[in-house]
Amino acid sequence: GIQVEQSPPDLILQEGANSTLRCNFSDSVNNLQWFHQNPWGQLINLFYIPSGTKQNGRLSATTVATERYSLLYISSSQTTDSGVYFCAGHSGGYNKLIFGAGTRLAVHP
Amino acid sequence: NAGVTQTPKFQVLKTGQSMTLQCAQDMNHNSMYWYRQDPGMGLRLIYYSASEGTTDKGEVPNGYNVSRLNKREFSLRLESAAPSQTSVYFCASSESEGGEPEAFFGQGTRLTVV
Repeated sequence: GIQVEQSPPDLILQEGANSTLRCNFSDSVNNLQWFHQNPWGQLINLFYIPSGTKQNGRLSATTVATERYSLLYISSSQTTDSGVYFCAGHSGGYNKLIFGAGTRLAVHP
Repeated sequence: NAGVTQTPKFQVLKTGQSMTLQCAQDMNHNSMYWYRQDPGMGLRLIYYSASEGTTDKGEVPNGYNVSRLNKREFSLRLESAAPSQTSVYFCASSESEGGEPEAFFGQGTRLTVV
């Protein structure tokens, strides 16, 4: 079955809007991470967040490990936030890193 | 601090040719991974290596071989390239013993098989 599931698959925002991206993960997955893949294809680490809440500027993330979900919040979105956001977690210990299908975000001016 | 370095960045192969994608990390990580990303899709795990001397198949291993040459280096080999292997390939590494297992990625190799 699906081990890491992201929603929504696509999101279109006006500059300045806020958004919440969700990642659900199965019991066998842990050590959640969030990545941003920019339009040039680079994968940029946003958060390593196995549990709790972290903030970095306009971005913050919360993982509730007991309920098997993580949320990524983007506030006051900018056009440079466009791209694909992936969550990923380790499955079967530290051996496999499994990705969700991603949320494709487009921020328009 | 270079992190994860992949070579080459771009490659065009003819069907049936072979090549090796190189990956090296300088973070002293135990685990290393190879992924492929097809247009508009997520990352699919090809092979991973939990430690020096061990390798295991991921989700899409067919048509590929890997070598964990030492702790730093993890190479991916295409013995007989096929057009279906046209993709962007990413290498990653993470800690797996004691430290936080945060994964870091290389810049990717864009491979076209004609």
